[in-house]
Amino acid sequence: AQSVTQLDSQVPVFEEAPVELRCNYSSSVSVYLFWYVQYPNQGLQLLLKYLSGSTLVKGINGFEAEFNKSQTSFHLRKPSVHISDTAEYFCAVSSRLRDYKLSFGAGTTVTVRA
Amino acid sequence: GAGVSQTPSNKVTEKGKYVELRCDPISGHTALYWYRQSLGQGPEFLIYFQGTGAADDSGLPNDRFFAVRPEGSVSTLKIQRTERGDSAVYLCASRSTPASGEQFFGPGTRLTVL
Repeated sequence: AQSVTQLDSQVPVFEEAPVELRCNYSSSVSVYLFWYVQYPNQGLQLLLKYLSGSTLVKGINGFEAEFNKSQTSFHLRKPSVHISDTAEYFCAVSSRLRDYKLSFGAGTTVTVRA
Repeated sequence: GAGVSQTPSNKVTEKGKYVELRCDPISGHTALYWYRQSLGQGPEFLIYFQGTGAADDSGLPNDRFFAVRPEGSVSTLKIQRTERGDSAVYLCASRSTPASGEQFFGPGTRLTVL
């Protein structure tokens, strides 16, 4: 089985401050890792993905994440947030051996304040 | 079209009624997934198609839920005798093969059962 734990359900942050969203996963096989963003009343948009190679992954809108196999983590970071980054963020894991079915975390709500 | 499309975008029905939700994947994508996102939660896997066949339906909650993909492209998720607990956003995603690992999501269908 595979599962994802997002350690923070809500993260309030001031505009232009850095933010980190924590994600830990559990899997008995080699995994692919993803971060998705969901703006209010919209669908899921891929922020970034780790499939293989460099453990530091850069995504859209200035986000990046680092895959740490020993700690089974895939934390998401942005050095300076904008009001427009207010959204729900989901970490997800999949595996080739499980037909790439995605298992999602419960989500982290990021609220950026001026 | 360029992306995954889902219709209708919103569906309101009464308890006990039958509903059909449609997904039109990205052209050429042979893998198709359905997920369900209940309020305040991350999406949960329902069913996976590879071509015309349901390769994994382990996520379907009970036998009121059924999905088809007769020609290997468009898929329909069917829910019989709807219950209030079926209210959720139903998401469809498609993936190209050979495996890229990434799924592309549609905007979802918001189902409300009164």
